Amino acid sequence: GAVVSQHPSWVICKSGTSVKIECRSLDFQATTMFWYRQFPKQSLMLMATSNEGSKATYEQGVEKDKFLINHASLTLSTLTVTSAHPEDSSFYICSASGLAGSGDEQYFGPGTRLTVT
Amino acid sequence: DAKTTQPTSMDCAEGRAANLPCNHSTISGNEYVYWYRQIHSQGPQYIIHGLKNNETNEMASLIITEDRKSSTLILPHATLRDTAVYYCIVRLNNRKLIWGLGTSLAVNP
Repeated sequence: GAVVSQHPSWVICKSGTSVKIECRSLDFQATTMFWYRQFPKQSLMLMATSNEGSKATYEQGVEKDKFLINHASLTLSTLTVTSAHPEDSSFYICSASGLAGSGDEQYFGPGTRLTVT
Repeated sequence: DAKTTQPTSMDCAEGRAANLPCNHSTISGNEYVYWYRQIHSQGPQYIIHGLKNNETNEMASLIITEDRKSSTLILPHATLRDTAVYYCIVRLNNRKLIWGLGTSLAVNP
């Protein structure tokens, strides 16, 4: 159980275009989903937290108008990178958490490799 | 601002126990210690978590000191597939996970 999928697994896009990444919890309802990005040889950096039906909460320094997050259902959240630039090339990872309160784990998707040319 | 300190890298012989230490001296009383691992170019995999007591599951054991300022993740019989970066994380009360650089574990044949 607790499987999280991401689509696509990798994407190449041209500078100035937008890219949408999907994150799905396959066998549980995710009340909260988190979006991270990871640059080569670096750790995961939390970008934003989204609760189903609410606006996402962005971490300091993350542009909410550039990284649009939608969490319209308990099993799906999307991240749209708008007007992508080469510096947005990174490994984007989502995680999903199903239970509020202590002891709930975050289960991670396999990640999406974005390359902007 | 990672709240944990881990060695940058460790080596372990295949079949032997791998003991990965972590310091979290500023941990608060109701903050959990979580361990994840990440194999190259994949999403992190949950391993185990604990609050005060030692924990064991099918993957590993977690030993937390009585003062909770440090912990050790134990992989009892390491295999080549356990080669990965292991992250020790203190989960904040708002459920956020703040990631450090982790320990790169190399399991050698």
